[in-house]
Amino acid sequence: KAGVTQTPRYLIKTRGQQVTLSCSPISGHRSVSWYQQTPGQGLQFLFEYFSETQRNKGNFPGRFSGRQFSNSRSEMNVSTLELGDSALYLCASSLGASNSPLHFGNGTRLTVT
Amino acid sequence: DQQVKQNSPSLSVQEGRISILNCDYTNSMFDYFLWYKKYPAEGPTFLISISSIKDKNEDGRFTVFLNKSAKHLSLHIVPSQPGDSAVYFCAASSGGSYIPTFGRGTSLIVHP
Repeated sequence: KAGVTQTPRYLIKTRGQQVTLSCSPISGHRSVSWYQQTPGQGLQFLFEYFSETQRNKGNFPGRFSGRQFSNSRSEMNVSTLELGDSALYLCASSLGASNSPLHFGNGTRLTVT
Repeated sequence: DQQVKQNSPSLSVQEGRISILNCDYTNSMFDYFLWYKKYPAEGPTFLISISSIKDKNEDGRFTVFLNKSAKHLSLHIVPSQPGDSAVYFCAASSGGSYIPTFGRGTSLIVHP
């Protein structure tokens, strides 16, 4: 069974630009979550989608948005990039039931200059 | 306000000895706890979990202990191996929640 796939692996953008990250979940998984990892801050929850609907949302500004398609693939968009947005962005999929373990992709490393 | 705390950023252990990683939580509603392991350039992988109705769960070399009264859990790795060198994240969720809250991680280094 293929794991969670995130593209691209690396991205360099300039302040003020926008970026779109993509995530393909494990086949059969209907829940996709997004996390931001920065040094010293651990994994910060961005949002979770289940069956194309945002089911949970973390405490990030509106510049961070996402969506999920009918095939469960998900995209995350960050507009008006700031230097502080430089981070590893991780996508995780699960069956969507409570306490279902998350299966993470290898992440997209975003650098904002 | 950190609800899940891993107060040791790093831990160094000799191969063959026991590694003990600690985690504290503040939210008394948490009733399910997980540990994830992360290697550099890879995403975290699920390691082991425990429900609040138990105080111990074992899987091979990995054992998680839960002390609800102290709001504390720990992960024991016995014996430790160099391949266990990674960052370990503790996570917790409350009933019906689909989203665990993660700690900041502890970097474990196992020396040969």
